[in-house]
Amino acid sequence: GQQVMQIPQYQHVQEGEDFTTYCNSSTTLSNIQWYKQRPGGHPVFLIQLVKSGEVKKQKRLTFQFGEAKKNSSLHITATQTTDVGTYFCAGDNYGQNFVFGPGTRLSVLP
Amino acid sequence: DTAVSQTPKYLVTQMGNDKSIKCEQNLGHDTMYWYKQDSKKFLKIMFSYNNKELIINETVPNRFSPKSPDKAHLNLHINSLELGDSAVYFCASSQGGQFRGSPLHFGNGTRLTVT
Repeated sequence: GQQVMQIPQYQHVQEGEDFTTYCNSSTTLSNIQWYKQRPGGHPVFLIQLVKSGEVKKQKRLTFQFGEAKKNSSLHITATQTTDVGTYFCAGDNYGQNFVFGPGTRLSVLP
Repeated sequence: DTAVSQTPKYLVTQMGNDKSIKCEQNLGHDTMYWYKQDSKKFLKIMFSYNNKELIINETVPNRFSPKSPDKAHLNLHINSLELGDSAVYFCASSQGGQFRGSPLHFGNGTRLTVT
């Protein structure tokens, strides 16, 4: 079945440093979504990418969808303590399945 | 005016008991879900209902029984609770179903602890 992997599993950064998490699917995706879960909170939708090679920005966050639509990345520029949390990607396999990755847990040291 | 609300927030119970978790959404969405998040933070879908009809039933023990009295409510009943059922259970809803790429709106979660 479809598998969605994320690396790294954990990332510790100093405030102000950049951060990137990578998401890889074993199958081609129709779309990919990113969610953020703060400690003790619930996942919150950030963005959806649909087109091959698509790049979207939200303030300091940049999301990319790979050309082959099998991978994606989330990059945060100049992290802040408010960025702390777990970032999940979730891939839709053309209606066959919708799977969350295991998440990347980001901690930001002030 | 919470969009997706679930109760209770915390549930501590003993093995063998039966318990229910309730979920309601006021977003007018057609599809509702139950997700289980274990201690390693993995999010696994358990069930999905579209307009009160079951459309996804992952390999979940039949001790778990969802019930959707209407499209705004999806409750989860668990019989004969086991230690391994301890987790955070999230209810979620979406506009037109996951398979159409609709974003999920999650409730605040119910932390179930089985002792």
